[in-house]
Amino acid sequence: DTEVTQTPKHLVMGMTNKKSLKCEQHMGHRAMYWYKQKAKKPPELMFVYSYEKLSINESVPSRFSPECPNSSLLNLHLHALQPEDSALYLCASSQGGGEEWGQPQHFGDGTRLSIL
Amino acid sequence: KNQVEQSPQSLIILEGKNCTLQCNYTVSPFSNLRWYKQDTGRGPVSLTIMTFSENTKSNGRYTATLDADTKQSSLHITASQLSDSASYICVVIRNTGGGNKLTFGTGTQLKVEL
Repeated sequence: DTEVTQTPKHLVMGMTNKKSLKCEQHMGHRAMYWYKQKAKKPPELMFVYSYEKLSINESVPSRFSPECPNSSLLNLHLHALQPEDSALYLCASSQGGGEEWGQPQHFGDGTRLSIL
Repeated sequence: KNQVEQSPQSLIILEGKNCTLQCNYTVSPFSNLRWYKQDTGRGPVSLTIMTFSENTKSNGRYTATLDADTKQSSLHITASQLSDSASYICVVIRNTGGGNKLTFGTGTQLKVEL
């Protein structure tokens, strides 16, 4: 079992739906990440939160909206997604925050998202 | 341009055999290099982390090497098992003024067969 928990494991939604992906870790890590991974491709960084503040947004479309309610939780709110957004969405955390982000990352098992 | 290239793209070997996966990078300035294993439908799991001064590091049947001069790393798997079937991703971290940046390789898909 991974120490980073993601829910739901699978999600099917229409293009007009609003849904949220959730990520939780209790390792005391201060940096949390969202990645998007297409089939047979490496993960692509979307967002980085460091000490609960958004520090990196890799030019992600506004239909993806991250939220970090506290140091253990990370959400990704989805609205008006496109079929090309279908992918595995991975959450990760690492011990350091601030300039230390990027230290060994612990990944969750992802949410498999399908957009109809 | 900061890039990480892995080879081969895919590999099929028989159970019990050894194999070596390659990672070449142009990332600069170099901070460290990591190998991850990603099983189908799961998140990546860290295997090894190599810093500039480390040449070899082992984790069970996995041995990673790093040549910082030639900017090459390899992951050697000994006595392969069916459970080694996975994607192996090389990640190189560079240290910028604003923190660390990760560059992912495209991965090597390994299949171990009976």
